[in-house]
Amino acid sequence: KAGVTQTPRYLIKTRGQQVTLSCSPISGHRSVSWYQQTPGQGLQFLFEYFSETQRNKGNFPGRFSGRQFSNSRSEMNVSTLELGDSALYLCASSLSALNEQFFGPGTRLTVL
Amino acid sequence: EDKVVQSPLSLVVHEGDTVTLNCSYEVTNFRSLLWYKQEKKAPTFLFMLTSSGIEKKSGRLSSILDKKELFSILNITATQTGDSAVYLCAVALYNQGGKLIFGQGTELSVKP
Repeated sequence: KAGVTQTPRYLIKTRGQQVTLSCSPISGHRSVSWYQQTPGQGLQFLFEYFSETQRNKGNFPGRFSGRQFSNSRSEMNVSTLELGDSALYLCASSLSALNEQFFGPGTRLTVL
Repeated sequence: EDKVVQSPLSLVVHEGDTVTLNCSYEVTNFRSLLWYKQEKKAPTFLFMLTSSGIEKKSGRLSSILDKKELFSILNITATQTGDSAVYLCAVALYNQGGKLIFGQGTELSVKP
C-alpha cells in the first residue's frame, strides 16, 4: 500500500508570495491533518479535513487555509508569506479521527 | 491549556544500553497517546495507547500508559545506532477530530 505523498518536497519563495502544498493520503483514508514543524515550536497542528469538511483548526492566522477534494486529496495554501512561515509542513492521514495517523515526507518551505 | 511534556530532551547512550523516555500530559478529554520516531524525515508511527496498564510491544520497543498519573513511557532495550532519532509523543483528545498535540520530542543518540 502506498504511503502518504506530498508535493513538492522543497519550495523556495519570497516574502509576500503565496504557496500551495499538496497531500495525497493512503488509499482509503478519509482524514487528512496538516502540521507545521519548526525547531523552536516543534510540531503544531494546522487543521484537519474529513470528507471534504474542515473539522478542526489550530491557532494559525487566516493566511493559512486548506481544502479537501472528493478523492480525499488535500491542499493547503499560505498567502502573503512571511519569513516565519519557513518550516517543514507535514501532512498525515488516518482512516478516521480514532485511528493512528501516518505522516508523509513533508514539504520543506523556505521563505526569503 | 493542553500540554504534553517529554523528558529528557536529549539523551546519549551506548549500543546495548536500555533507555526509558517519558511523556507526561495535562489535557482535557484525553482519548489516546501516540509515539512516533522521526529520523530527519517524516515521523513514523510506533504505538497508540488508550488503556492504562496494557503494555504494547514491538521488537525491542515497548510502551505503557498510566491514565491516573497522566504519563507514558517508551522503553528501548539493547539499543542500536539505528535507534538514533527524535522520539515524539502526541495526545489525541475527544471532540477534537484528528488534532494531535505533540511534545517537544526526545533526541536519542546511540553511540557505537
